[in-house]
Amino acid sequence: AQKVTQAQTEISVVEKEDVTLDCVYETRDTTYYLFWYKQPPSGELVFLIRRNSFDEQNEISGRYSWNFQKSTSSFNFTITASQVVDSAVYFCALSERSSSNTGKLIFGQGTTLQVKP
Amino acid sequence: DTGVSQDPRHKITKRGQNVTFRCDPISEHNRLYWYRQTLGQGPEFLTYFQNEAQLEKSRLLSDRFSAERPKGSFSTLEIQRTEQGDSAMYLCASSTLGNTEAFFGQGTRLTVV
Repeated sequence: AQKVTQAQTEISVVEKEDVTLDCVYETRDTTYYLFWYKQPPSGELVFLIRRNSFDEQNEISGRYSWNFQKSTSSFNFTITASQVVDSAVYFCALSERSSSNTGKLIFGQGTTLQVKP
Repeated sequence: DTGVSQDPRHKITKRGQNVTFRCDPISEHNRLYWYRQTLGQGPEFLTYFQNEAQLEKSRLLSDRFSAERPKGSFSTLEIQRTEQGDSAMYLCASSTLGNTEAFFGQGTRLTVV
């Protein structure tokens, strides 16, 4: 069965603090894709990153970095030097390359990040 | 064409009425998805189109729900005999073939009173 778990429901930090959002996934597929999306108050889901199951290299993009560890089925997201504009709900998602290959996403419940000035 | 467009953004309807939502995907995106998101939850998959063919439907999609994508362009999602439990944000997304990133619209927020 496929599942994504984001155990942190809400996180509150003060601006300039670093924060890590956790994501744990379950899948039986050997080929799959992991995503992070940001949902600001406007409601639109904004794509942040996609990783495939064969690429465990960590990635850094500006203040954002991602740590993918297959051994623990985790795909964690770190924001360095957080800013008020980072306040949003963040979703981790899984897409399996199953026989149907639809590309549908299985989302976690989301983590609400509040960055205070 | 700057992104996925959904219309309307908000809809308030009385229980028992029918509602229809529209989604215009990014041009030339073969794949189109509908998701439903309730308060405090992540989006849940409803249905998927590849061009004009509806290839997968979730068990969440009861027989009161129907979706179409005529000519593989825009899509509509209709809910018949709405119930209060249908109140949610309905999100549309599109992507190219393969497991590339999906681009989402801003959603239609449905409130059934």
